[in-house]
Amino acid sequence: QKEVEQNSGPLSVPEGAIASLNCTYSDRGSQSFFWYRQYSGKSPELIMSIYSNGDKEDGRFTAQLNKASQYVSLLIRDSQPSDSATYLCAVYSSASKIIFGSGTRLSIRP
Amino acid sequence: GAVVSQHPSWVICKSGTSVKIECRSLDFQATTMFWYRQFPKQSLMLMATSNEGSKATYEQGVEKDKFLINHASLTLSTLTVTSAHPEDSSFYICSAMDAGVLAANYGYTFGSGTRLTVV
Repeated sequence: QKEVEQNSGPLSVPEGAIASLNCTYSDRGSQSFFWYRQYSGKSPELIMSIYSNGDKEDGRFTAQLNKASQYVSLLIRDSQPSDSATYLCAVYSSASKIIFGSGTRLSIRP
Repeated sequence: GAVVSQHPSWVICKSGTSVKIECRSLDFQATTMFWYRQFPKQSLMLMATSNEGSKATYEQGVEKDKFLINHASLTLSTLTVTSAHPEDSSFYICSAMDAGVLAANYGYTFGSGTRLTVV
């Protein structure tokens, strides 16, 4: 079992709709969770972090965390073509390092 | 915010030569830096963890004699790809952890990446 799992996609969402990205992790001792966005040919950039169960909103982005289910998600409201990218879920594990998922490719169709 | 500078952004080299990639933390001290490799349409693969003043820790399957890492100061880590071959062509990305903050709170900051092409 991979430590951080994501569906590779591609996930295709119409412009203006909500994009929902999911991630599960195996280490119950994980403390913090991050979502990074990576455009093709570029390095990842941090867009959201979440530490407590529940929702955290930042603009059009909402991160959701459920530690009991070992599940973290990212919702993107009012999706724009510029949101088309690969989204990496990352987990700060009990081993004191950040583990990345393989990423989900998101495509927003006009 | 924390900025990590990576240089060069792209490089083309001949097979058999060596290439050095630099990763600098510009406004913070980084006791730990990480080197990743990413092939087209694939995920980030952690190659090694670079610790200031000590030997790097390499992930399983990464040849430490081929990928030399030096972290001589709190703001600079270098990755040297020795005797490069076409199969080493990839996107190499570094990231750094601010020694003054908890990675658990802020995550890592990534450099802009280096695209290496070996011909």
